[in-house]
Order: sequence, then structure tokens, then C-alpha cells
Amino acid sequence: KAGVTQTPRYLIKTRGQQVTLSCSPISGHRSVSWYQQTPGQGLQFLFEYFSETQRNKGNFPGRFSGRQFSNSRSEMNVSTLELGDSALYLCASSPGTARDDGYTFGSGTRLTVV
Amino acid sequence: GNSVTQMEGPVTLSEEAFLTINCTYTATGYPSLFWYVQYPGEGLQLLLKATKADDKGSNKGFEATYRKETTSFHLEKGSVQVSDSAVYFCALSQGGKLIFGQGTELSVKP
Repeated sequence: KAGVTQTPRYLIKTRGQQVTLSCSPISGHRSVSWYQQTPGQGLQFLFEYFSETQRNKGNFPGRFSGRQFSNSRSEMNVSTLELGDSALYLCASSPGTARDDGYTFGSGTRLTVV
Repeated sequence: GNSVTQMEGPVTLSEEAFLTINCTYTATGYPSLFWYVQYPGEGLQLLLKATKADDKGSNKGFEATYRKETTSFHLEKGSVQVSDSAVYFCALSQGGKLIFGQGTELSVKP
């Protein structure tokens, strides 16, 4: 069974630009969550999508947005990039239907803002 | 709010030494608890989990017991290997999201 696929693996952008990251979950999983990992703040929850609807949202500014398609693939968009947005962005896939579903993570997209 | 606190690293051990990484949590209700491991340049891998008090999660020689009375979920392994060198994250699941500790870097020397 294929794992969680995140593309691209690495990305370099300039301040003020926008970026779109992609995540393809495990087949049959309907929930996709996004996390930001930085040395200073650690792992922080961005948002979760389930069946094309945002179900949970973390404490990030509106520049961070996402969406989910009917095939459960998800995209995350960051507009007006700031230097502080440099991070590893991780996507997690789960069935989404039980309280203690396991979360399977992708390898992440490393975004560098210069 | 809900939070997870882990012992600070880095932790450096010799091969075959005993490992303990402490994890305590603050949460309303009874969250599920997890340990994830991250190898250099990779994402997170689920190591083990426990969903209710007194449950013991185990995998690849690692164990952790969900202790409600001490709000703890300490990770243990009897004999570490060089290949166990990684960063370990304790996490709780509540409200559809994971809340992570700050991570503990483990380095095992031959």
C-alpha cells in the first residue's frame, strides 16, 4: 500500500511570493492534516480536512490556507511569504472516522524563504 | 490548554544501554497518547500508541505505559542500538489534532 506522498520535497521561494504544497494520502483515507515544524516552535498543527471540509484549524494567520479534493488529495497554500515561514511542512493521513485513528506522515516539504 | 512536555536532549547512550525518555502531559479528558520517531531528513513514523489508562504500547523493543495518575507516558527500551539514533516525539491526540512535545534527540554510540 502506497504511503503518504508530499510534493515537492524541497522548495525555495522569495519573500512576498506564494507557494502551494501538495499531499496525497493513503488510499481510502479521508482525513488530511498539515503541520509546520521549525527548530524554534517545534511541531504545530495547521489544519485538518475531512471529506473536502476543513474540520479543525490551528492558530495560524489567514495567509495559510488549504483545500481538499474529492479524491482526498490536499493542497496547502501560503501567500505573501515571510522569512519565518521557512520550515518543514508535514502532511498526515488518517481514516478520520475514529477517535484514535493512527496518523501516517509523509516525508515533508522543506520550504526555504529567502 | 492541552500540552506535552518531554525531557530535554540530546541524550547520548552507548549501544546496549537502557533508554528512558520522560513525557508528561496536560489534557482535559482522556486523550490517546503516541510516540513518533523522526530520522534525519524524513517525516514522522508512528512508534507506538496507547488509547486508555494503563494501556501499554510496544513496538520494536520500545514500550510506554499510559499512566493517568501521573499523567505520564515515558518511553523505554532495554537495549538501544546505533540505528535507534533519531528524534523522538511524544504526542497526544484530542479534537482531531496531535499536540507534540518538543522532541528528544537520541544519539547512540557504538
